[in-house]
Amino acid sequence: DAKTTQPPSMDCAEGRAANLPCNHSTISGNEYVYWYRQIHSQGPQYIIHGLKNNETNEMASLIITEDRKSSTLILPHATLRDTAVYYCIVRGGWTNAGKSTFGDGTTLTVKP
Amino acid sequence: GAGVSQSPRYKVTKRGQDVALRCDPISGHVSLYWYRQALGQGPEFLTYFNYEAQQDKSGLPNDRFSAERPEGSISTLTIQRTEQRDSAMYRCASSGQGKYNEQFFGPGTRLTVL
Repeated sequence: DAKTTQPPSMDCAEGRAANLPCNHSTISGNEYVYWYRQIHSQGPQYIIHGLKNNETNEMASLIITEDRKSSTLILPHATLRDTAVYYCIVRGGWTNAGKSTFGDGTTLTVKP
Repeated sequence: GAGVSQSPRYKVTKRGQDVALRCDPISGHVSLYWYRQALGQGPEFLTYFNYEAQQDKSGLPNDRFSAERPEGSISTLTIQRTEQRDSAMYRCASSGQGKYNEQFFGPGTRLTVL
């Protein structure tokens, strides 16, 4: 699995957009970018994933650069409940794709 | 079930004892994963199964750790002769039937070795 690099921490004001970057320069052509988040001691929770096109769902948007070497997770209107550790992972998107390699993620703190 | 379940949720044991941690994945999920998470760090991969076959055990730290999934559903992670450094949160995840092949994580088992 390709390795990812994320900043260790970020702050965001409540109601503003939170933009979380991730570098994955060694991603291979058939690997997807997945984002998870972990709140307190709960298990990681899936947010979104993409291959090369930008993606949006009810939780977030994912912007992937054209060369696929980096991506940005966007929480459009951050709330206090979005305070969590956010993990960027690259992994096969097919069934039986194998393990996820988590780094230490980005701790996002949303402030009132 | 509705989600991945793990038992026990908390386990305190004395150094040198064996422990068995159980994971019950989401019904129908093909793949099952074990991770270990130290405080302040991301989950660290241990091993995973497709059905009953152990596909990758490269993350198991040493031969005191083993895992099985004999019928392709419930899995057990066993740690023999526990040591204090084994203390951590052990997390199980499953995937395979979700639309996006995302992993669904259980609540974890907090293991404390005294």
